[in-house]
Amino acid sequence: GESVGLHLPTLSVQEGDNSIINCAYSNSASDYFIWYKQESGKGPQFIIDIRSNMDKRQGQRVTVLLNKTVKHLSLQIAATQPGDSAVYFCAETIQGAQKLVFGQGTRLTINP
Amino acid sequence: DAGITQSPRHKVTETGTPVTLRCHQTENHRYMYWYRQDPGHGLRLIHYSYGVKDTDKGEVSDGYSVSRSKTEDFLLTLESATSSQTSVYFCATQARSQETQYFGPGTRLLVL
Repeated sequence: GESVGLHLPTLSVQEGDNSIINCAYSNSASDYFIWYKQESGKGPQFIIDIRSNMDKRQGQRVTVLLNKTVKHLSLQIAATQPGDSAVYFCAETIQGAQKLVFGQGTRLTINP
Repeated sequence: DAGITQSPRHKVTETGTPVTLRCHQTENHRYMYWYRQDPGHGLRLIHYSYGVKDTDKGEVSDGYSVSRSKTEDFLLTLESATSSQTSVYFCATQARSQETQYFGPGTRLLVL
């Protein structure tokens, strides 16, 4: 399959376990954050977002946590499944800027 | 995925030839973007558009030009392709009232 990053950080977890993927963002003025999932050979897919006035947001099997003090974002995936195998990356922006700044990504591998 | 299509999906061309990639969206999103994705670099912005006939450069615009003659189409042109432009190209769109970008499936370009 296609490699979106030869030197990406990797995370391997057992199927059924919970996964936590981390992201350090760069701009303390950023006020909107997005997590994307990119499967091999496909475009990035929106997973979940969070605004800076929140520190936690939950979706279906996913939770995003935001720590503005240390400029850290994390994505928690509950009960990981084989279909969760992908590269995950965060993006940050300032409301109204119309441009996203992307992190390098983490490759998540699910072991059977 | 905001109804985004890209064409062609795969292309092989020779150094020095012109190449045009097309992005088509059906969501009437105001903003459109062209990115390239390379191992070790993540997503990098080439050009973007904030409306019909309104475009601006991104961080890696040298050797690329764009045009947007109508809301739904955003064209990326490599005037004279070079081997360094071998990459996967993604188009993205964003609605005026949002900060989330939605991506197309990508075009894999190989310049020999």
